[in-house]
Amino acid sequence: DTEVTQTPKHLVMGMTNKKSLKCEQHMGHRAMYWYKQKAKKPPELMFVYSYEKLSINESVPSRFSPECPNSSLLNLHLHALQPEDSALYLCASSQDWLGPYNEQFFGPGTRLTVL
Amino acid sequence: AQTVTQSQPEMSVQEAETVTLSCTYDTSENNYYLFWYKQPPSRQMILVIRQEAYKQQNATENRFSVNFQKAAKSFSLKISDSQLGDTAMYFCAFMKHWSNFGNEKLTFGTGTRLTIIP
Repeated sequence: DTEVTQTPKHLVMGMTNKKSLKCEQHMGHRAMYWYKQKAKKPPELMFVYSYEKLSINESVPSRFSPECPNSSLLNLHLHALQPEDSALYLCASSQDWLGPYNEQFFGPGTRLTVL
Repeated sequence: AQTVTQSQPEMSVQEAETVTLSCTYDTSENNYYLFWYKQPPSRQMILVIRQEAYKQQNATENRFSVNFQKAAKSFSLKISDSQLGDTAMYFCAFMKHWSNFGNEKLTFGTGTRLTIIP
């Protein structure tokens, strides 16, 4: 199984809603990533989890709250989002190797619309 | 901080032709890695090819090859015998070598939208 899955595929939420994005991998990877991608732009790193611990937070606003309950699962909890947060949210995972063969495998993304 | 520049926002080429996508980067690091990622329309991003900066030999993967010029900080992607399935957004990406796992960060360029014309 060389797949990263993400649910839901699409999400529409109001600014007062609370929702969560889910990412799952069963490749035994020990690093998991959240990226935000606006239309026609490159992905921007948000968070990195390494061995279930948060290792990188790219100064993301607190209305985005990541969680890594176990080595296979990564969540992104959303609360009080703004319309400018509408984007494709990508999850990725990678092995616990150093160097260029530490390939990141990407999921298909969740397309989020904030009204 | 590293920057990655892709100066060609869009390109198109006839099927079976060869196309070259350009990428330049700026870094003060000596030990790093470069990647080309492909993101087809509404599909997952996948790795196309990777290059280690300390290797002089250019990487190749079937129809995909790179021209890595370390001194010029240039990393172009050549696609030979292009196919309709090559239609996608292509991102060049940089990763600094880290000694500790968990700090790997990919810095992406702005992308080149490639269309293969039948």
